[in-house]
Amino acid sequence: EVQLVESGGGLVQPGRSLRLSCAASGFTFDDYAMHWVRQAPGKGLEWVSGISWNSGSIGYADSVKGRFTISRDNAKNSLYLQMNSLRAEDTALYYCAKGRGIHPHDAFDIWGQGTMVTVSS
Amino acid sequence: QSALTQPASVSGSPGQSITISCTGTSSDVGGYNYVSWYQQHPGKAPKLMIYDVSNRPSGVSNRFSGSKSGNTASLTISGLQAEDEADYYCSSYTSSSTLDWVFGGGTKLTVL
Repeated sequence: EVQLVESGGGLVQPGRSLRLSCAASGFTFDDYAMHWVRQAPGKGLEWVSGISWNSGSIGYADSVKGRFTISRDNAKNSLYLQMNSLRAEDTALYYCAKGRGIHPHDAFDIWGQGTMVTVSS
Repeated sequence: QSALTQPASVSGSPGQSITISCTGTSSDVGGYNYVSWYQQHPGKAPKLMIYDVSNRPSGVSNRFSGSKSGNTASLTISGLQAEDEADYYCSSYTSSSTLDWVFGGGTKLTVL
């Protein structure tokens, strides 16, 4: 079964850091681009960051550029999101999503259940 | 980069057809055939319904179809069923300097 399981969320103070992880199973991880998408409570989806199959192409939303870093470890079938200088507006459910293929333009065909990040003092 | 524009809500009766629009710019929807649509039920993860403007993933009902004209993409659901009631989001690949993907604000579909 194809599965993505996020972890690492929690309550964190503004200005602090948090690292999210996404464990993939049921498919050949290094054949696909991967992404992080977030959803603030009661709000819509926002693409956060994406990474190509070989980490050669990486992109970030304006709202997180310079603060968040995406990475992947193909040997461990894992995707990561290092989040620094967190702000209240980063509070959201963070989804890990798999691209349909290796290309940055491939849509997101598999989603995890999300991990909640709450930034508050 | 601004979010794509979707109507906040649409509604229809069982058996009817509805269309949800998604308006962007020549840098996203109009510039690429990489528009996708996602369905999200309350408390659930999004589900891919349409990719590359008009293609359906395996297992998605053929009642769902997508199209694009200029800077506007559309999702049409025919033969509305109660289980279609959900939030729908469009998304487009974009080559703007600091953003690869952009989502629409979402549309709440109510089946009357």
